[in-house]
Amino acid sequence: EPEVTQTPSHQVTQMGQEVILRCVPISNHLYFYWYRQILGQKVEFLVSFYNNEISEKSEIFDDQFSVERPDGSNFTLKIRSTKLEDSAMYFCASSEWDSDLYTFGSGTRLTVV
Amino acid sequence: QKEVEQDPGPLSVPEGAIVSLNCTYSNSAFQYFMWYRQYSRKGPELLMYTYSSGNKEDGRFTAQVDKSSKYISLFIRDSQPSDSATYLCAVTLTQGGSEKLVFGKGTKLTVNP
Repeated sequence: EPEVTQTPSHQVTQMGQEVILRCVPISNHLYFYWYRQILGQKVEFLVSFYNNEISEKSEIFDDQFSVERPDGSNFTLKIRSTKLEDSAMYFCASSEWDSDLYTFGSGTRLTVV
Repeated sequence: QKEVEQDPGPLSVPEGAIVSLNCTYSNSAFQYFMWYRQYSRKGPELLMYTYSSGNKEDGRFTAQVDKSSKYISLFIRDSQPSDSATYLCAVTLTQGGSEKLVFGKGTKLTVNP
């Protein structure tokens, strides 16, 4: 069964450092998303991406965040200068069309120290 | 006002029990209603979705939506230890032509053999 692959599974970084979280969506999917889940909290929407541009972003997705689809297969989330409160599980998801039937990856646990 | 409220549990039941998981939501504009299952250290996995009031069955699982009272339920019949996971209710919201998922906090379920 096709799956969304995320790397790394766990990343530890120092406060102020830049991190790039990587995702390989399902190959025929056109819509891509990032969600995050702070420990003990809800899964929260960050950003949606279609046709090489951001469709929508949440209040969380400020200037420190950016997304890119650099080569037609990878989908990345960059956090420019990490803060302690960025520590969370980050989930990538993709869907074939702008539908509700997302497939989520297993997530990257980001720990900012 | 919180958009999706879900009793976080935890909920512990014996094998074979009927499980009832519930959520309430606040916004009548929500269009699709879903249940996701999340195993430890994994991403959410779609279990069931519906867009109308009423019941939808899939094997041992029944999703129920009551739009008049803004209530979403998931029933699990003949629960199995493999059903032990966190169950997340979610609704979809379309804003500016783009959809996003709004999640409840999740209910942790343990089914004891």
